[in-house]
Amino acid sequence: NAGVMQNPRHLVRRRGQEARLRCSPMKGHSHVYWYRQLPEEGLKFMVYLQKENIIDESGMPKERFSAEFPKEGPSILRIQQVVRGDSAAYFCASSLSYRRGGNEQYFGPGTRLTVT
Amino acid sequence: AQSVTQPDIHITVSEGASLELRCNYSYGATPYLFWYVQSPGQGLQLLLKYFSGDTLVQGIKGFEAEFKRSQSSFNLRKPSVHWSDAAEYFCAVAISTGNQFYFGTGTSLTVIP
Repeated sequence: NAGVMQNPRHLVRRRGQEARLRCSPMKGHSHVYWYRQLPEEGLKFMVYLQKENIIDESGMPKERFSAEFPKEGPSILRIQQVVRGDSAAYFCASSLSYRRGGNEQYFGPGTRLTVT
Repeated sequence: AQSVTQPDIHITVSEGASLELRCNYSYGATPYLFWYVQSPGQGLQLLLKYFSGDTLVQGIKGFEAEFKRSQSSFNLRKPSVHWSDAAEYFCAVAISTGNQFYFGTGTSLTVIP
């Protein structure tokens, strides 16, 4: 049973380009969460999605960032016009069921974005 | 606002020695508590979790953690550390009214022979 898959594992973009990060949840999981980890920091929540719905985007920057989880295919985190401050590791997690606070989240290996 | 504090940024222990990693949280009610481990370049692996019940929880790889409500703490322990335990350890908290996990800044563990 494959775990949470993320690709690419490493992504280099020049300032002003777009970055698209993909996450395939564990089989049977329909809840996806995105977190960002800046150097020397813990993970910070960005967004929580279910299939075709954004449930909570309270941690997403107001501009340039968007996320989707279509009916078919992986969840996508999209960063437009990247800047150096976007350089970080982006982790996706998924859960089988939903219970406020009590859902066990399984994490992918992360995508390390470097903006040059 | 909820917060998670891991006071020790870096800890070094000798192989075979005991280990305790500290975690304190700030939240009015009892949260859901987790410990994750992250090896270099890898994702996070769940070591153990506390939802309710017995305040001493057992996890994988010989780890355990104890929830102490009076101290708002959830410290991770291992009686005898192995070289393969060298990694970054994160404490995380979830609350019943939210969707997200709140993570501490992590404790980096070095194991010396």
